[in-house]
Order: sequence, then structure tokens, then C-alpha cells
Amino acid sequence: AQSVTQLDSQVPVFEEAPVELRCNYSSSVSVYLFWYVQYPNQGLQLLLKYLSGSTLVKGINGFEAEFNKSQTSFHLRKPSVHISDTAEYFCAVTKNAGGTSYGKLTFGQGTILTVHP
Amino acid sequence: DGGITQSPKYLFRKEGQNVTLSCEQNLNHDAMYWYRQDPGQGLRLIYYSQIVNDFQKGDIAEGYSVSREKKESFPLTVTSAQKNPTAFYLCASSIQGRDGSEQFFGPGTRLTVL
Repeated sequence: AQSVTQLDSQVPVFEEAPVELRCNYSSSVSVYLFWYVQYPNQGLQLLLKYLSGSTLVKGINGFEAEFNKSQTSFHLRKPSVHISDTAEYFCAVTKNAGGTSYGKLTFGQGTILTVHP
Repeated sequence: DGGITQSPKYLFRKEGQNVTLSCEQNLNHDAMYWYRQDPGQGLRLIYYSQIVNDFQKGDIAEGYSVSREKKESFPLTVTSAQKNPTAFYLCASSIQGRDGSEQFFGPGTRLTVL
């Protein structure tokens, strides 16, 4: 079974500063990785995903993440944050199992990013 | 305008009552999912369905039931057997339930059991 650990439950940062949200995963098979964002009292929106190919993945709103297989990590970064980036961010994983996991996602506990003016 | 709708947005029920949460999608997606979200615990999978008239239990199915009579609809019933039903419930869908498929989420229903 897979598991996902988001290493920080809360990350406060000032506007225009860089930010990194950390995600580590555990799996006995290869995986696909996702980052989702959730604004208060809303559903989740996909930021980016890693399926294969380049380990540096670019997403929406200026976010990017790097897949590191040896460290089993998929950290999310943004070089300069805005107030509007304040939200909760979820890292998620699904097995790359030829379709047999039916796309089921395993989520981390979430990281609340708060951007201060 | 395609998407996933969940209703109601807020729901209050007395302890011991069953309650049904609605989830409808007009994205023509085959797969649908129900998640429960609690603070600090991320999202946990309750049930999922790959095709009409078929569904499987997720990680926390006890106390919940679902049906999939139509492709666009996947209602979730929270029964009185669910020990701690107060939570935020999210419905999602994907084109096909393949590994790597993006899941699209509805806006959620916040259930409070009094």
C-alpha cells in the first residue's frame, strides 16, 4: 500500500517570498504523483501531476514540483507567493499498476499555506 | 458549463438519522469517487465506482452506502451506523478510473450531526 507524508502541517510565509511544501511518499511499486489545492470550503483543484518523463513538473499559478525517486519525494515550490495562494495543499499518490488500482488516490494530511502581507 | 455539483452545501441531521448526499456530474466521466475530509487527516476514500451498477468499498466504507444507477449520479448515504459522521464530504470523477487519471472534485457537502 502507498502512503504520503506532508512534512509540514502549516507554513507561514510573507508575500513575494519563495515557498516549498514538502511531500514524501512510500510505495513498493512505481507511482504517479499529484498536488491539489483547496481554498476554504471548496473542492480540490489540480495544480500539477507527475506521470513520467521530466522530473520537473510545471503547473498552474506558477507552481512547480520535482520528483525525486531516490528520496521518494515530490516537493512543491513557488519562487514568489501571493496573498491569493493562501490555501491548503494536498499531495497525493496512486500506483502505476497498469490500471489495476482504478485511479484511487492516497492523500497526505495537507499543508496550510498562509501568505502574510 | 461542465462540472460536478454536490448538494446541499451544508446539511444538519440529528443523530440516528440516515442522510443522503447528492453528487452529479455532466463531464461524461466513467469513474466516480466519494471522499471524507477531516481536519489534519487529508482525504480518505469511502467508495468508488468505475461503471454504472458497479461500485467498490474504499478505505473507510463502514457506515456508508452508495448506488450508481446512472452514469452521471453517485449518491452517498450516511447511515446511523457511522460512528462519527460529522465531516466534509467530497465527490470526484475521472474520465476513466485509470492510474494517473486526473480527478475532478465537486464543491463538497459539510455534514453536521447534532
